Amino acid sequence: YNLTQPPSVAVSPGQTAGITCSGDFLEQTYAFWYQQKPGQSPVLLIYHDTYRPSGIPERFSGSSSGNTATLTISGTQEMDEADYYCQMWASGTAVFGSGTRVTVL
Amino acid sequence: HVQLQESGPGLVEPSQTLSLTCTVSGEPIATGNSYWGWVRQHPGKGLEWIGHIYYSGDAYYMPSLESRVTISVDTSKNEFSLKMKSVTSADSAVYFCSRLPYDTVTGSAGWFDPWGQGARVTVSS
Repeated sequence: YNLTQPPSVAVSPGQTAGITCSGDFLEQTYAFWYQQKPGQSPVLLIYHDTYRPSGIPERFSGSSSGNTATLTISGTQEMDEADYYCQMWASGTAVFGSGTRVTVL
Repeated sequence: HVQLQESGPGLVEPSQTLSLTCTVSGEPIATGNSYWGWVRQHPGKGLEWIGHIYYSGDAYYMPSLESRVTISVDTSKNEFSLKMKSVTSADSAVYFCSRLPYDTVTGSAGWFDPWGQGARVTVSS
């Protein structure tokens, strides 16, 4: 099982960034999203495709259609510069995407 | 407020066994509300699931690591552990422990939240 993410995404402050995550199995299961800043542990951003845990800013949103899940950062801030990983469950195993480095220019 | 803290040797010799413990505070493992898992990250690379365990002792492993990995739980100490035998330099990584809430929608492990701060392990002689 594989999840494919773009290696990098560049966005200007205040603009919208979209990160895609594609995988054949995604049509049958949920996507989860994590943010990891350099030297820090990952933080859960989105669960069950679209739900945001308490404490996560509203500018982070998730969606899913077919075999592609998307994390959208609206009104991107400099503090959002980080690596982002998608994750799914497939046959009882956790699969992470390869990660996307978001650069805020 | 659940917190997790990894502990264990930062240096392991090749062919030996890597042992890490994750101490949990803020939620008794024995309540069965969550699973407890391990994820590693090689230098400059992405996240790799190792496995997870339920308070009952039922454990689930990444197939490619299953022959070398054992995850166990000690509810009396509110901690769970990772043992990986016959390590090589390819096992050098930062190892994270995490809670996985029981997902009532799927009836199995949910998402990874929160995470420990990570334990850097180097395999070298």
